Amino acid sequence: QSALTQPPSASGSPGQSVTISCSGTSSDVGGYDYVSWYQQHPGKAPKLIIYEVTKRPSGVPDRFSASKSGNTASLTVSGLQADDEADYYCGSYAGTNTVLFGGGTKVTVL
Amino acid sequence: QLQLQESGPGLVKPSETLSLTCSVSGGPISSGTYYWGCVRQSPGKGLEWIATVYYSGTTFYNPSLKSRVTMSVDTSKSLYSLSLSSVTAADTAVYYCVRYVRSSSRTFDHWGQGALVTVS
Repeated sequence: QSALTQPPSASGSPGQSVTISCSGTSSDVGGYDYVSWYQQHPGKAPKLIIYEVTKRPSGVPDRFSASKSGNTASLTVSGLQADDEADYYCGSYAGTNTVLFGGGTKVTVL
Repeated sequence: QLQLQESGPGLVKPSETLSLTCSVSGGPISSGTYYWGCVRQSPGKGLEWIATVYYSGTTFYNPSLKSRVTMSVDTSKSLYSLSLSSVTAADTAVYYCVRYVRSSSRTFDHWGQGALVTVS
């Protein structure tokens, strides 16, 4: 099992959108609709913002949306705000009750 | 409000065993909906799933760590524990206690605040 692949960084100006990719294989991202996304601010624990590819937990703004095509999942943050500046991690079920994470993407609001 | 609280040694010597305890409050540990687990994050690095345990004691381990990891659960005390043997500097990380939704979304929906464990 190898970690999922994310770009190390992404950026956008306030009000703009940024999209982060998460690439895996048919054994993880492509094989199951169990992709999650987590937001982590510096010094804080990760927070779940997307589960089951596209679903948002209660309280997560609809500015956060996600999708999946083949072995690649994507997270889009629309209407960027200063508080969106954080690290974002994807995670995927990888069969037999195992989980893989991506290496993380640092989003900078310019 | 579910709370997960890590407790650990802070500092562990190389080749020794790291022990971490996760206390669960605000919700039942003996729920058929969830697994309980640990995720770690090395300084400046990404997240790594270590292991999960069901209230029955069934365990699941990251294949890359399986030879060194043991996880157990004590439902009477509402806590679970992680042991990682033969540690090296590479095991220095913030260790998070997490709740995993096993029966539907297969996601980590609750995280503890994390505990830094340094191997030195």
